Amino acid sequence: DAGVTQSPTHLIKTRGQQVTLRCSPKSGHDTVSWYQQALGQGPQFIFQYYEEEERQRGNFPDRFSGHQFPNYSSELNVNALLLGDSALYLCASSPGPTRDNEQFFGPGTRLTVL
Amino acid sequence: AQSVAQPEDQVNVAEGNPLTVKCTYSVSGNPYLFWYVQYPNRGLQFLLKYITGDNLVKGSYGFEAEFNKSQTSFHLKKPSALVSDSALYFCAVSPPLDSNYQLIWGAGTKLIIKP
Repeated sequence: DAGVTQSPTHLIKTRGQQVTLRCSPKSGHDTVSWYQQALGQGPQFIFQYYEEEERQRGNFPDRFSGHQFPNYSSELNVNALLLGDSALYLCASSPGPTRDNEQFFGPGTRLTVL
Repeated sequence: AQSVAQPEDQVNVAEGNPLTVKCTYSVSGNPYLFWYVQYPNRGLQFLLKYITGDNLVKGSYGFEAEFNKSQTSFHLKKPSALVSDSALYFCAVSPPLDSNYQLIWGAGTKLIIKP
């Protein structure tokens, strides 16, 4: 049983560009959350998708958007990239959106903005 | 503002000794509490959680954590440390449903177990 997978593993972009990150949840999971983890810090919640809708959102600007597909996979899009967007982006899945569920994390996508 | 604090950036423990990684939180209502571990070049892995009930919860790899409501703490413990426990540990809190955040995370504590 494959766990949470993310692609690509690494990505290098320049300021002002746009990027799309992809995530496939663990089998049987229907809820996907995205996090940004800067170097030396804990993850910061970006948003959560359930039933193809954004269910909750953290304190991130509208440049960060997402999508969930009928097969529960998800994309994170970031527009007008800034240097400060350089971070590890983590996708996590869970068997439902309730807050008592533990989350299963992918290995992350390392985004570098030059 | 709601927050999670892990007061120690790094904890050093000799193999075989007990270990404690500290976590305190400032969240309104009755939060759910979690511990995750991050090994180098690997994703975060769930260790344990407190939802309700017994204040001492047991998790993966022999870890346990004690919930203390009066001190708003949720410290991670293990009776006998292994070198393989060396990793980055994160405490996370899930606030009540009326919050905008799914999980609030601490900054992490690097645990180093020396042979």
